[in-house]
Amino acid sequence: GAVVSQHPSRVICKSGTSVKIECRSLDFQATTMFWYRQFPKQSLMLMATSNEGSKATYEQGVEKDKFLINHASLTLSTLTVTSAHPEDSSFYICSARIGLAGGPRPYEQYFGPGTRLTVT
Amino acid sequence: GIQVEQSPPDLILQEGANSTLRCNFSDSVNNLQWFHQNPWGQLINLFYIPSGTKQNGRLSATTVATERYSLLYISSSQTTDSGVYFCAVHFGNEKLTFGTGTRLTIIP
Repeated sequence: GAVVSQHPSRVICKSGTSVKIECRSLDFQATTMFWYRQFPKQSLMLMATSNEGSKATYEQGVEKDKFLINHASLTLSTLTVTSAHPEDSSFYICSARIGLAGGPRPYEQYFGPGTRLTVT
Repeated sequence: GIQVEQSPPDLILQEGANSTLRCNFSDSVNNLQWFHQNPWGQLINLFYIPSGTKQNGRLSATTVATERYSLLYISSSQTTDSGVYFCAVHFGNEKLTFGTGTRLTIIP
């Protein structure tokens, strides 16, 4: 159980175009999902928290108009990188929160396999 | 800000060796998770361990919350254990703050 998928696994796009990345929880419902960014040989940095049916909460320094997040259902969140530029090239990883606040493992997260974005 | 430091940053071991990875955090935490990021980038959940000790096969983990550290033990290392190990903590909310990571390389 607790499987999270991402699509596509890798994408190459031209500068100025937009790219959409999907994150799905396959065997559980996730009211909250998260989007991270990871540069080579670095740790994961949280970009935003995605809540089903409401606006995403962005971390300081993350442009909300550039990284559009939509969490339209309990199993799907999407990240759209708008007007991509080479500096947006990175490894993007989503996660889904499986643990309930009052449950035995509150706030536990499971991660998707990541999407490698290359902007040329 | 909140700091989560891991040591050592890099570790190279012969197959069959044992290792201990450390995670230090600068404030009280609600929860702590250990992950293994394989060479393809997938993060695999290893332990959910806000306190105490847990074991799963060749891996075990101990968190001493009062002293603000957690340890991950890997025994009888295999080449498939190679990758980056991250600890990540919750500081009073649902967001995870990731540590700096330990890159483990197991040589056959």
